[in-house]
Amino acid sequence: KAGVTQTPRYLIKTRGQQVTLSCSPISGHRSVSWYQQTPGQGLQFLFEYFSETQRNKGNFPGRFSGRQFSNSRSEMNVSTLELGDSALYLCASSLVPGSYNSPLHFGNGTRLTVT
Amino acid sequence: KQEVTQIPAALSVPEGENLVLNCSFTDSAIYNLQWFRQDPGKGLTSLLLIQSSQREQTSGRLNASLDKSSGRSTLYIAASQPGDSATYLCAVRGAGNQFYFGTGTSLTVIP
Repeated sequence: KAGVTQTPRYLIKTRGQQVTLSCSPISGHRSVSWYQQTPGQGLQFLFEYFSETQRNKGNFPGRFSGRQFSNSRSEMNVSTLELGDSALYLCASSLVPGSYNSPLHFGNGTRLTVT
Repeated sequence: KQEVTQIPAALSVPEGENLVLNCSFTDSAIYNLQWFRQDPGKGLTSLLLIQSSQREQTSGRLNASLDKSSGRSTLYIAASQPGDSATYLCAVRGAGNQFYFGTGTSLTVIP
Protein backbone atom coordinates (compact mmCIF):
# COMPACT_ATOMS: atom_id res chain seq x y z
CA LYS A 1 0.00 0.00 0.00
CA ALA A 2 1.46 3.38 -0.96
CA GLY A 3 2.17 5.79 1.86
CA VAL A 4 1.29 9.45 2.17
CA THR A 5 2.66 11.35 -0.81
CA GLN A 6 3.57 15.01 -0.67
CA THR A 7 4.59 17.14 -3.61
CA PRO A 8 6.78 18.93 -4.28
CA ARG A 9 9.62 17.86 -1.97
CA TYR A 10 11.37 21.22 -2.14
CA LEU A 11 10.24 24.74 -2.94
CA ILE A 12 12.00 28.07 -3.00
CA LYS A 13 9.85 31.18 -3.10
CA THR A 14 10.33 34.88 -2.50
CA ARG A 15 8.54 37.04 0.02
CA GLY A 16 5.07 38.11 -1.05
CA GLN A 17 4.48 35.14 -3.34
CA GLN A 18 2.00 32.39 -2.70
CA VAL A 19 2.51 28.65 -2.70
CA THR A 20 0.37 25.52 -2.95
CA LEU A 21 1.41 22.19 -1.47
CA SER A 22 -0.24 18.88 -2.27
CA CYS A 23 -0.89 15.75 -0.21
CA SER A 24 -2.28 12.38 -1.27
CA PRO A 25 -3.31 10.24 1.71
CA ILE A 26 -3.00 6.50 2.09
CA SER A 27 -5.69 4.75 0.10
CA GLY A 28 -8.83 4.47 2.21
CA HIS A 29 -7.80 7.21 4.64
CA ARG A 30 -10.32 10.01 4.72
CA SER A 31 -8.75 12.39 7.22
CA VAL A 32 -5.84 14.64 6.31
CA SER A 33 -4.04 17.01 8.65
CA TRP A 34 -1.24 19.49 8.07
CA TYR A 35 1.65 20.50 10.30
CA GLN A 36 4.44 23.05 10.21
CA GLN A 37 7.81 21.99 11.61
CA THR A 38 10.54 24.52 12.44
CA PRO A 39 13.63 24.22 14.65
CA GLY A 40 12.34 26.89 17.01
CA GLN A 41 8.67 25.92 17.36
CA GLY A 42 8.76 22.21 16.67
CA LEU A 43 5.70 20.59 15.12
CA GLN A 44 2.59 22.74 15.10
CA PHE A 45 -0.88 21.75 13.94
CA LEU A 46 -2.29 23.77 11.04
CA PHE A 47 -5.63 22.16 10.18
CA GLU A 48 -7.46 18.90 9.65
CA TYR A 49 -9.90 17.93 6.90
CA PHE A 50 -12.43 15.15 6.67
CA SER A 51 -15.02 14.67 3.95
CA GLU A 52 -13.96 17.92 2.30
CA THR A 53 -14.70 19.87 5.48
CA GLN A 54 -12.23 21.55 7.79
CA ARG A 55 -12.69 19.92 11.20
CA ASN A 56 -10.04 21.68 13.23
CA LYS A 57 -7.75 24.63 12.84
CA GLY A 58 -4.60 25.54 14.69
CA ASN A 59 -3.43 28.98 15.68
CA PHE A 60 -2.14 30.26 12.34
CA PRO A 61 -3.04 33.42 10.42
CA GLY A 62 -5.59 33.42 7.63
CA ARG A 63 -2.78 33.39 5.07
CA PHE A 64 -2.68 29.65 5.66
CA SER A 65 -5.59 27.82 4.10
CA GLY A 66 -6.39 24.40 2.80
CA ARG A 67 -8.95 22.25 1.14
CA GLN A 68 -9.78 18.62 0.57
CA PHE A 69 -11.16 17.05 -2.57
CA SER A 70 -13.70 14.27 -2.95
CA ASN A 71 -10.90 11.70 -3.41
CA SER A 72 -9.46 12.81 -0.02
CA ARG A 73 -6.43 14.49 -1.59
CA SER A 74 -5.64 17.77 0.08
CA GLU A 75 -3.91 20.99 -0.79
CA MET A 76 -2.52 23.67 1.45
CA ASN A 77 -2.01 27.26 0.34
CA VAL A 78 0.07 30.00 1.89
CA SER A 79 -0.39 33.50 0.53
CA THR A 80 1.82 36.56 0.92
CA LEU A 81 4.79 34.50 2.04
CA GLU A 82 7.00 35.75 4.87
CA LEU A 83 10.53 34.72 5.75
CA GLY A 84 9.17 33.04 8.89
CA ASP A 85 7.10 30.67 6.77
CA SER A 86 10.26 28.78 5.87
CA ALA A 87 9.69 25.32 7.32
CA LEU A 88 9.07 21.66 6.67
CA TYR A 89 5.37 21.21 5.98
CA LEU A 90 4.10 17.76 6.84
CA CYS A 91 0.87 16.11 5.90
CA ALA A 92 -0.60 13.17 7.78
CA SER A 93 -3.52 10.91 7.07
CA SER A 94 -5.65 8.64 9.21
CA LEU A 95 -8.70 6.49 8.65
CA VAL A 96 -11.07 8.89 10.36
CA PRO A 97 -10.52 11.87 12.63
CA GLY A 98 -10.96 11.52 16.33
CA SER A 99 -10.69 7.76 16.30
CA TYR A 100 -9.00 6.53 19.42
CA ASN A 101 -7.28 3.75 17.57
CA SER A 102 -6.46 5.47 14.29
CA PRO A 103 -2.78 6.43 14.14
CA LEU A 104 -1.39 9.28 12.08
CA HIS A 105 0.74 8.37 9.06
CA PHE A 106 3.02 11.09 7.74
CA GLY A 107 4.45 11.94 4.37
CA ASN A 108 8.06 13.02 3.89
CA GLY A 109 7.09 16.66 3.81
CA THR A 110 7.66 19.68 1.59
CA ARG A 111 10.66 21.83 2.49
CA LEU A 112 9.67 25.45 1.82
CA THR A 113 12.34 28.13 1.76
CA VAL A 114 11.27 31.77 1.54
CA THR A 115 13.96 34.25 0.49
CA LYS B 1 -3.49 24.57 26.42
CA GLN B 2 -1.88 21.12 26.32
CA GLU B 3 1.89 21.21 26.63
CA VAL B 4 4.05 18.21 25.83
CA THR B 5 7.62 17.98 27.08
CA GLN B 6 10.35 15.50 26.22
CA ILE B 7 13.46 15.21 28.33
CA PRO B 8 16.30 14.85 27.58
CA ALA B 9 16.55 16.78 24.32
CA ALA B 10 19.47 14.58 23.27
CA LEU B 11 20.79 11.21 24.34
CA SER B 12 23.85 9.24 23.31
CA VAL B 13 24.25 5.56 24.24
CA PRO B 14 26.54 2.67 23.23
CA GLU B 15 25.10 -0.06 21.05
CA GLY B 16 23.31 -2.82 22.94
CA GLU B 17 22.17 -0.65 25.81
CA ASN B 18 18.53 -0.54 26.90
CA LEU B 19 17.14 2.97 27.15
CA VAL B 20 14.06 4.93 28.16
CA LEU B 21 12.71 8.08 26.56
CA ASN B 22 10.30 10.27 28.50
CA CYS B 23 7.25 12.26 27.52
CA SER B 24 5.10 14.33 29.85
CA PHE B 25 1.89 16.25 29.19
CA THR B 26 -0.02 18.78 31.24
CA ASP B 27 -3.65 17.86 30.53
CA SER B 28 -4.61 14.27 31.32
CA ALA B 29 -7.80 14.49 29.21
CA ILE B 30 -6.34 12.78 26.17
CA TYR B 31 -7.75 10.36 23.61
CA ASN B 32 -4.48 8.67 22.77
CA LEU B 33 -0.73 9.07 22.69
CA GLN B 34 1.47 8.18 19.76
CA TRP B 35 5.24 7.73 19.49
CA PHE B 36 7.07 8.53 16.27
CA ARG B 37 10.60 8.51 14.98
CA GLN B 38 11.91 11.06 12.52
CA ASP B 39 15.03 10.65 10.43
CA PRO B 40 16.82 13.80 9.20
CA GLY B 41 14.90 15.56 6.44
CA LYS B 42 12.11 13.02 6.50
CA GLY B 43 8.59 12.74 7.78
CA LEU B 44 7.51 10.95 10.93
CA THR B 45 7.21 7.19 11.16
CA SER B 46 4.57 5.88 13.54
CA LEU B 47 5.98 3.50 16.16
CA LEU B 48 3.24 2.88 18.70
CA LEU B 49 -0.18 4.25 19.58
CA ILE B 50 -1.64 3.87 23.06
CA GLN B 51 -5.30 4.53 23.61
CA SER B 52 -6.23 6.47 26.74
CA SER B 53 -7.71 3.33 28.30
CA GLN B 54 -4.51 1.32 27.78
CA ARG B 55 -1.41 1.11 29.97
CA GLU B 56 1.13 -0.08 27.42
CA GLN B 57 1.81 -1.26 23.89
CA THR B 58 4.63 -3.38 22.55
CA SER B 59 6.14 -3.79 19.10
CA GLY B 60 9.33 -5.77 18.73
CA ARG B 61 12.07 -4.14 20.80
CA LEU B 62 9.83 -1.20 21.65
CA ASN B 63 7.51 -0.87 24.61
CA ALA B 64 5.50 2.25 25.37
CA SER B 65 3.68 2.88 28.63
CA LEU B 66 1.07 5.45 29.56
CA ASP B 67 0.14 6.83 32.96
CA LYS B 68 -2.62 9.32 32.27
CA SER B 69 -3.11 10.38 35.87
CA SER B 70 0.48 11.55 36.19
CA GLY B 71 0.69 12.83 32.62
CA ARG B 72 3.58 10.61 31.61
CA SER B 73 4.57 8.17 28.93
CA THR B 74 7.80 6.30 28.40
CA LEU B 75 9.24 4.60 25.35
CA TYR B 76 11.56 1.71 26.21
CA ILE B 77 13.99 0.54 23.54
CA ALA B 78 15.70 -2.76 24.20
CA ALA B 79 19.13 -3.71 22.89
CA SER B 80 19.66 -0.45 20.99
CA GLN B 81 21.21 -0.53 17.51
CA PRO B 82 22.87 2.18 15.39
CA GLY B 83 19.80 2.10 13.12
CA ASP B 84 17.73 3.34 16.05
CA SER B 85 19.51 6.70 15.80
CA ALA B 86 16.82 9.29 15.06
CA THR B 87 14.67 11.88 16.75
CA TYR B 88 11.80 10.42 18.75
CA LEU B 89 8.65 12.44 19.21
CA CYS B 90 5.55 11.83 21.25
CA ALA B 91 2.16 13.35 20.49
CA VAL B 92 -1.08 13.40 22.43
CA ARG B 93 -4.52 13.74 20.92
CA GLY B 94 -6.37 15.98 23.29
CA ALA B 95 -8.83 18.83 23.58
CA GLY B 96 -10.23 20.02 20.29
CA ASN B 97 -9.27 16.68 18.79
CA GLN B 98 -5.86 18.10 17.93
CA PHE B 99 -2.48 16.45 18.17
CA TYR B 100 0.05 18.20 20.39
CA PHE B 101 3.68 17.28 19.80
CA GLY B 102 6.70 17.27 22.04
CA THR B 103 9.96 18.77 20.79
CA GLY B 104 11.60 15.38 20.60
CA THR B 105 14.60 13.50 21.92
CA SER B 106 17.52 13.12 19.52
CA LEU B 107 18.98 9.64 20.02
CA THR B 108 22.43 8.58 18.88
CA VAL B 109 23.45 4.94 19.26
CA ILE B 110 27.22 4.58 19.04
CA PRO B 111 28.53 1.38 17.39
